[in-house]
This record gives sequence, C-alpha cells and structure tokens, in this order.
Amino acid sequence: DAGVTQSPTHLIKTRGQQVTLRCSPKSGHDTVSWYQQALGQGPQFIFQYYEEEERQRGNFPDRFSGHQFPNYSSELNVNALWLGDSALYLCASRGWGGTDTQYFGPGTRLTVL
Amino acid sequence: AQSVTQLDSQVPVFEEAPVELRCNYSSSVSVYLFWYVQYPNQGLQLLLKYLSGSTLVKGINGFEAEFNKSQTSFHLRKPSVHISDTAEYFCAVATGTASKLTFGTGTRLQVTL
Repeated sequence: DAGVTQSPTHLIKTRGQQVTLRCSPKSGHDTVSWYQQALGQGPQFIFQYYEEEERQRGNFPDRFSGHQFPNYSSELNVNALWLGDSALYLCASRGWGGTDTQYFGPGTRLTVL
Repeated sequence: AQSVTQLDSQVPVFEEAPVELRCNYSSSVSVYLFWYVQYPNQGLQLLLKYLSGSTLVKGINGFEAEFNKSQTSFHLRKPSVHISDTAEYFCAVATGTASKLTFGTGTRLQVTL
C-alpha cells in the first residue's frame, strides 16, 4: 500500500514565476492538507481540501491556491514567487471525520532564486 | 487560536540515557495532541497521539508522553535513547479531529556515543 506521494522532489524557480506541486493521498484517504515548512521551523498549515472544496485555510495570501481532483489527488499552486516562498512543502492525507491520523508525504523542496 | 511552545531547540544526550522533550500548548478549547518525528530529508512520521482517555500515551520506538491538562503540557519521554533516535521532533495540537495541525518550532535531539 503506497503512502502519500509528492512530486517533484525538488524544484528551483526564479522570483515572479509560478509553480505547481502535486500530491497523491494514501489509499482510502479523501482529505488532503498542505503545509509549508521553512528552514528551521515547524510546518505551517496552508489549506485543506475535501470533496474537491477548500474546507479550511491558514494565514497565507491568495497567491497560494489549490485544487482537489475526483480521485482525491491534489495540487498546490503558488503564483508570483518570491524568495520567502523557499521551503519544504508537505502534503498530508487522512480520512474525513473520526480520529484518523494524518499521514505526511516526503515533501517537495522548493527553492526560489 | 491555539499555539504550541517547544522550550528546547536542541537536546544533546548520550546513547542509552533517558530523555525528555518538553511541549506546552495554549488553547481556549479542548485539544488533541501529537508528537511527530522528522528524519533528515524526510516527511513527518507520527510517534504518538492523545485524543482522550488515559493521560499516559505510548507510541512507537519506545516513546511515551503524558498529557497534563492543569499544566497544559504534553512532554515526550524515552527511558533509553539510541543513535537512530537522532532527528527533529515536533509537538502539534488540533482542536478537532478534522481540523488543522498547529506545530511547535521543533526540538533537535542529538544522540551521541
């Protein structure tokens, strides 16, 4: 059973560009959350998707947007990149409701030059 | 809003010695508490969680934590650490089973011979 997978593993972009990160949840999970982990910091919640809708959102600007597909996979899009967006982006999946544990993927390391 | 404070950014310890990693939280409502471990260049792995019931929670790899409501703490302990326990440890809180995780800034556990 594959766990949470993310692609790509690493990505280098320049300021002003746009980026799309992808996540496939663990089998049987229908809820996906995205977190940003800056160097030396704990992960910060960006948003959560369930039934193809954004259900919760953290304190991130509108430059950060997402999407969830019918197969529960998800994308994170960031527009107008700036240096401060450099971070490890983590995807986590779980089943909706109950006390299911959130399972994290290995992350995508984004570097903005 | 809830918050998590991890008082120690780094904890050096010798192999086979006991260790305690401290975590305090702040919340105006009941919380669920988690400890995650992050090995270099990897995502987060759940060590243990407190949802309800017994305040002493046992997790994987010999770790345990005790929920103390009066002191708003959830300290992580291991009676005898191994070199392989060297990693970053994150305490996290959630206010509902489907809600976002709020993480602390992490504690770097460095185990040496």
